Amino acid sequence: AQSVAQPEDQVNVAEGNPLTVKCTYSVSGNPYLFWYVQYPNRGLQFLLKYITGDNLVKGSYGFEAEFNKSQTSFHLKKPSALVSDSALYFCAVRAVTGGGNKLTFGTGTQLKVEL
Amino acid sequence: NAGVTQTPKFQVLKTGQSMTLQCAQDMNHEYMSWYRQDPGMGLRLIHYSVGAGITDQGEVPNGYNVSRSTTEDFPLRLLSAAPSQTSVYFCASSQPPGEAFFGQGTRLTVV
Repeated sequence: AQSVAQPEDQVNVAEGNPLTVKCTYSVSGNPYLFWYVQYPNRGLQFLLKYITGDNLVKGSYGFEAEFNKSQTSFHLKKPSALVSDSALYFCAVRAVTGGGNKLTFGTGTQLKVEL
Repeated sequence: NAGVTQTPKFQVLKTGQSMTLQCAQDMNHEYMSWYRQDPGMGLRLIHYSVGAGITDQGEVPNGYNVSRSTTEDFPLRLLSAAPSQTSVYFCASSQPPGEAFFGQGTRLTVV
């Protein structure tokens, strides 16, 4: 069965500092990987995805993520955090083959950016 | 484009009542799914469909039914609501391997 682990329930960072939100995954074969953001009382918004190609993926709002196959990780990063980045972030995985195209999510990481 | 539309946004049910959460998408996506979101547990897959007429169970299917008679619609039925079904429900659609698009959610309270 496929799974996603987000080991930190909350990440605190000062505005202007770099941020990292961690994600590791388990899936049979190759993965498709995604990051989503959720603001309070809202649905999930897509940030970025890794399908194939370059291991460094750039997405919306200045976010990027690095796919590391040997470490089965897909950490979300941003060089300079903004207070408006404060939200709940979810990592998700879908198997390239098998798995019925199911999209499996992690438990989420609350990002708090402070002045 | 409307994307994924869920109704209602809020609902309060009494234990034992039934109801249907509606989900419609206008992107001609084959894959649709229902998730529930509970604090500290992320999004858990309830049921999914890979096309009209085809549905399958996800991680937490008990107490829920689905059907997919058209590409556009994927309703979720609660047959006999229980307090444990108090949650926020999200419908999503996608065309694999692409990203999923989510509705705005339904906040359900069962008393």
